[in-house]
Amino acid sequence: EVQLVESGGGLIQPGGSLRLSCAASGFTVSRNHMNWVRQAPGKGLEWVSLIYSGGSTYYADSVRGRFTISRDNSKNTLYLQMNSLRAEDTAVYYCARDPDYSNQFDYWGQGTLVTVSS
Amino acid sequence: DVVMTQSPLSLPVTLGQPASISCRSSQSLVDSDGNTYLNWFQQRPGQSPRRLIYKVSNRDSGVPDRFSGSGSGTDFTLKISRVEAEDIGVYYCMQGTHWPKTFGQGTKLEIK
Repeated sequence: EVQLVESGGGLIQPGGSLRLSCAASGFTVSRNHMNWVRQAPGKGLEWVSLIYSGGSTYYADSVRGRFTISRDNSKNTLYLQMNSLRAEDTAVYYCARDPDYSNQFDYWGQGTLVTVSS
Repeated sequence: DVVMTQSPLSLPVTLGQPASISCRSSQSLVDSDGNTYLNWFQQRPGQSPRRLIYKVSNRDSGVPDRFSGSGSGTDFTLKISRVEAEDIGVYYCMQGTHWPKTFGQGTKLEIK
């Protein structure tokens, strides 16, 4: 059974850093394309970042240069390193899987809440 | 960025009645490979999103057949043939053809 479990969220001051994790089971992270998607409180969904199975990475303009997506194949885990955090980064962060280019966001995790506030 | 516009944003429906959500994109979603990467997601209250439909009209495993997707180019529709209580939530369309991937604003389905 495919499962995605996010962790690492919390309350952080503006300008701070946080690393989110997404532990996968039931499939191999490195053989899939993996996304981060966020949802600000009471708002809609926003795609944040993608890492292809081959290792190429992509970012939304709003986070490029501040966030870094990566994975640890030995731990079958996806990460999102978030630096220089801003109030507008406050959101629930979800990881979601793309088994291949034509099959997008088929499984999602339960999300982890990041609150950026002083 | 491709703008995805959903309508209506709020959809009150009587149980057992049909419902329809429109999603329009600012550019054609036909990819160079011939596929159209338009997906529909359901987000029930307090839950994470769940994919219902991929590539316009393909229903995911376990999704009731009362859900159907249709459309082409820039105009797409999600239909529920007979709304049930468990269908309450917010529905999002999403395009995966152009970078970055973008979502519609969401349509909140509620029971009258």
